Amino acid sequence: DIHMTQSPSSLSASVGDRVTITCRASQTISKYLNWYQQKPGRAPNLLIYTASSLQSGVPSRFSGSGSGTDFTLTISSLQPEDFATYYCQQSYSTPWTFGQGTKVEI
Amino acid sequence: QLQLQQSGPGLVKPSETLSLTCTVSGVSISSGSHYWGWIRQPPGKGLEWIARIYNSGSTYYNPSLKSRVTISVDTSKNQLSLEVRSVTAADTAVYYCASSPANTHGLDVWGQGTTVTVSS
Repeated sequence: DIHMTQSPSSLSASVGDRVTITCRASQTISKYLNWYQQKPGRAPNLLIYTASSLQSGVPSRFSGSGSGTDFTLTISSLQPEDFATYYCQQSYSTPWTFGQGTKVEI
Repeated sequence: QLQLQQSGPGLVKPSETLSLTCTVSGVSISSGSHYWGWIRQPPGKGLEWIARIYNSGSTYYNPSLKSRVTISVDTSKNQLSLEVRSVTAADTAVYYCASSPANTHGLDVWGQGTTVTVSS
């Protein structure tokens, strides 16, 4: 299985801050990396697919980059509705695997 | 517009079988345009991918669950199903069905989630 490691596990930030979350794969996954946002009691919501493609309807303050084993999710200016937990997920090979999550808090 | 609606019991006894259904609307489940899958999330924990099916017959399972899990589709009802056999308390989780376009693999549409508790 491909192991996904996110860092940090949690972070504190303020509205307007630039936030960066990293995700590292235990082996190369090319560009097959997706990012999700999850709020309490809700299903995850796809933000970014294939490392850098913005999902339809997702605000442009979210962006993704990377390839191979190292990937980054950036929120350019944190908004109140962005406080949530973020997960990366590789879809390069089965079993698809998720990172452990990064909780973004005030 | 693609939508997924889950159904199934919220309480299952230990050693019994958990059965969940996900009704797909907006796309034919046999069209070959999407992968269909299940993901679960234990209380307070992260996401675990369980299984996926494609073109009504090509299945992939998480090896950690493979011996106890079956994913299937009913094309006449446009439904996706999951069975988890011999459940224990460790199978207590919110279970989600989800779809991913075959060309991008991002899980872009999710069901509402079903909270399943394994308890006698």
